[in-house]
Amino acid sequence: DAKTTQPPSMDCAEGRAANLPCNHSTISGNEYVYWYRQIHSQGPQYIIHGLKNNETNEMASLIITEDRKSSTLILPHATLRDTAVYYCIVRAGGVETSGSRLTFGEGTQLTVNP
Amino acid sequence: SAVISQKPSRDICQRGTSLTIQCQVDSQVTMMFWYRQQPGQSLTLIATANQGSEATYESGFVIDKFPISRPNLTFSTLTVSNMSPEDSSIYLCSVKGTNYGYTFGSGTRLTVV
Repeated sequence: DAKTTQPPSMDCAEGRAANLPCNHSTISGNEYVYWYRQIHSQGPQYIIHGLKNNETNEMASLIITEDRKSSTLILPHATLRDTAVYYCIVRAGGVETSGSRLTFGEGTQLTVNP
Repeated sequence: SAVISQKPSRDICQRGTSLTIQCQVDSQVTMMFWYRQQPGQSLTLIATANQGSEATYESGFVIDKFPISRPNLTFSTLTVSNMSPEDSSIYLCSVKGTNYGYTFGSGTRLTVV
């Protein structure tokens, strides 16, 4: 699985958009970009994933550059409850692929301030 | 997505003893994964547990230290054997969700004294 690079920490004001970057310059054509977050003392939570098109769900938006070497997770209106460590993970195959596991990097500690 | 019940949620153990952590899933899953999260660090995969076969361990983890059972498609246990303070961590189980991503248990916070 491709290696990812994320800033160790970011701050965001409550109600503003939080934009979390991730570099994955060695990503392969069949590798997806996944985002998870881990709120303190809880297990990681799936947020969103994508291959090459931008994706949006009720939690966030995922913007993947055309060359797929980087992506940005956008929380449109951050709240205090969004304070967490956010992990960008690249792995082969889609969600339907069994047997693959997730390799976690260090992630980005997002702190949402009142 | 799958719902995971993990027990115990936390424990304080004496060094040299063993602790068995249980992971129960509300649906049948092929693969179950066990992770360790040391204080202030990211998650590290310990092993992948397959029903009916030996678990597959990642580099740096051995069966004698972390024996795993997988008796059926909804249950698995991880034992942390002969514990030392360095084993103090959060241990999490995970399964592939029905549709989206992977689901994680809430974790077992282990402190070895």
